[in-house]
Amino acid sequence: DGGITQSPKYLFRKEGQNVTLSCEQNLNHDAMYWYRQDPGQGLRLIYYSQIVNDFQKGDIAEGYSVSREKKESFPLTVTSAQKNPTAFYLCASSIGRTGELFFGEGSRLTVL
Amino acid sequence: AQSVSQHNHHVILSEAASLELGCNYSYGGTVNLFWYVQYPGQHLQLLLKYFSGDPLVKGIKGFEAEFIKSKFSFNLRKPSVQWSDTAEYFCAVKSSGNYGQNFVFGPGTRLSVLP
Repeated sequence: DGGITQSPKYLFRKEGQNVTLSCEQNLNHDAMYWYRQDPGQGLRLIYYSQIVNDFQKGDIAEGYSVSREKKESFPLTVTSAQKNPTAFYLCASSIGRTGELFFGEGSRLTVL
Repeated sequence: AQSVSQHNHHVILSEAASLELGCNYSYGGTVNLFWYVQYPGQHLQLLLKYFSGDPLVKGIKGFEAEFIKSKFSFNLRKPSVQWSDTAEYFCAVKSSGNYGQNFVFGPGTRLSVLP
């Protein structure tokens, strides 16, 4: 089945540690995205990539980093510089300009 | 900048009641409109979308939405809800013709359907 796989589903980390969330898609989509979901705030865009080896900052990129070395993979690193990292992180992809987003199941990060 | 507002934070209904969830957006250009649903423990999935043409759009599971351009609204409706419709619903707007980075999501409305 085609889809987006995010791992891990749940992650705990101590303050000051970096953590990397994985996102893999087999939909052959060009564009991939990372969103952060907080209660009552909807989804906010962290980073996006329209093509391999290229990515752009979204609305809340501070404290995060990404890479896009392969079309199917778009990992997100939550760095120690992110002041409030506890959240639900969603990876998505889209094909071309039709813009419909397809989502993974999400990763819930808790900083202790 | 675009913004999306959803009228209700939490809606509680009994089974068989009718549903209408409000969504308004602010954007001066041509837009694509979406409703996504997030069932408990599941990923966000598309309910329906509007790109052009008939402003009354039908989606999955008996949902429909009406685009009223003059009111900048895209309200979601269902004539008779079921317990399985319990979920969080997100309205989203995107600039027409642009990539998905232009999606703007509303804050979400949590729907609880009582059996």
